[in-house]
Amino acid sequence: QVQLQESGPGLVKPSQILSLTCTVSGGSISSDGYYWSWIRQHPGKGLEWIGYIYYSGSAYYNPSLKSRVTISIDTSKNQFSLKLSSVTAADTAVYYCARVDSEVVVAANPEPEEIFDYWGHGILVTVS
Amino acid sequence: DIRMTQPPSSLSASLGDRVTITCRTSHNISSYLNWYQQKPGKAPKLLIYGASSLQSGVPSRFSGSGSGTDFTLTISSLQPEDFATYYCQQSYITPLTFGQGTKLEIK
Repeated sequence: QVQLQESGPGLVKPSQILSLTCTVSGGSISSDGYYWSWIRQHPGKGLEWIGYIYYSGSAYYNPSLKSRVTISIDTSKNQFSLKLSSVTAADTAVYYCARVDSEVVVAANPEPEEIFDYWGHGILVTVS
Repeated sequence: DIRMTQPPSSLSASLGDRVTITCRTSHNISSYLNWYQQKPGKAPKLLIYGASSLQSGVPSRFSGSGSGTDFTLTISSLQPEDFATYYCQQSYITPLTFGQGTKLEIK
């Protein structure tokens, strides 16, 4: 059973860098077909995809955050990380890491689709 | 970005009711639509993928339908553990986007 666990500071000062790490257990982060993603949820609000990374290091970001976000991966530690720069109070949120299965075949779709199939518990990061 | 709309934002229902939650997208996404359930203080849980495929381990009272721009999640007979917030999510194109959620409350 794959498990993900977020770790990092719960409090970050404005204008600083928010840094979080996700440790994956029960499976290899280097397995083909999976992306490793960060999603956040502002207090009482919906979900926002931040971006994801493949074990090769190829990363894709939400354009709304792209200028401030870096996602990296360390296959030797089975971990991936998020850095968000120049944070403000608007970045206060619960941050989730999740696995994305990118090879889900559905008869109705011409190409495989991507699903968030395993999630971490989430970590609240407050910018103040 | 593909916009996801889930009217209404909250819904009241009773145990045993049949409930339908809707999701509308701003562009045709074929069947690249997933549904998640989230309970307070917990991470979302995948229920339905590909608009109508049931994720392993999810009770069969959950079902999904739709394609293109209009989708529904149906719970055939509400159980106590089903009161939660439900999100739709498109995986047609990045950025991956979610609906704002529909909170299912006890009447």
